Amino acid sequence: SQTIHQWPATLVQPVGSPLSLECTVEGTSNPNLYWYRQAAGRGLQLLFYSVGIGQISSEVPQNLSASRPQDRQFILSSKKLLLSDSGFYLCAWSDLLASDSGANVLTFGAGSRLTVL
Amino acid sequence: GQNIDQPTEMTATEGAIVQINCTYQTSGFNGLFWYQQHAGEAPTFLSYNVLDGLEEKGRFSSFLSRSKGYSYLLLKELQMKDSASYLCAVKDSNYQLIWGAGTKLIIKP
Repeated sequence: SQTIHQWPATLVQPVGSPLSLECTVEGTSNPNLYWYRQAAGRGLQLLFYSVGIGQISSEVPQNLSASRPQDRQFILSSKKLLLSDSGFYLCAWSDLLASDSGANVLTFGAGSRLTVL
Repeated sequence: GQNIDQPTEMTATEGAIVQINCTYQTSGFNGLFWYQQHAGEAPTFLSYNVLDGLEEKGRFSSFLSRSKGYSYLLLKELQMKDSASYLCAVKDSNYQLIWGAGTKLIIKP
């Protein structure tokens, strides 16, 4: 069965410090991978998605970047965190591309709660 | 702009029935999803509707009317463990998922 791991679960970082959140998927090949941010009282915001190694699409211009060094690994990074980067970050994977017919069901990791002080 | 509207919070009693509404205004439509999210946890998939009508899955049902831009999630025989946020999301013409802010459901004994 497929599993998705995301870490760290929580972190508190000072403004201007770097960030690295990691996500790995097991039990599937060529997954589509996503990074979302969830702010209180707002819908999930898609930050990045990837359909293959080294292929990253950015949805929102911001202080963050993503990389996919291996097929089942997705990393969210920042060189210098801002206060506004605080939030709940979710990694997700799916089998189907969003454009494929049928339900593109997302399976989420447990999330990483980032507080920037 | 694209918009998904859900009530912010609802309260219901254990054993009862509750209906959570979702209205959407999007550029195109390619399906509607409901996810459940317990506090501090990740969302989990509940249902998918792409055609008008009712989809039933055990105690949970989801309804869609594309002409009205409307969906609801119906939860029957409520249990305390159903206390969670329920997220509505619509796939638009570009196959991008647009998410509502979620409805926090509080179940009281």
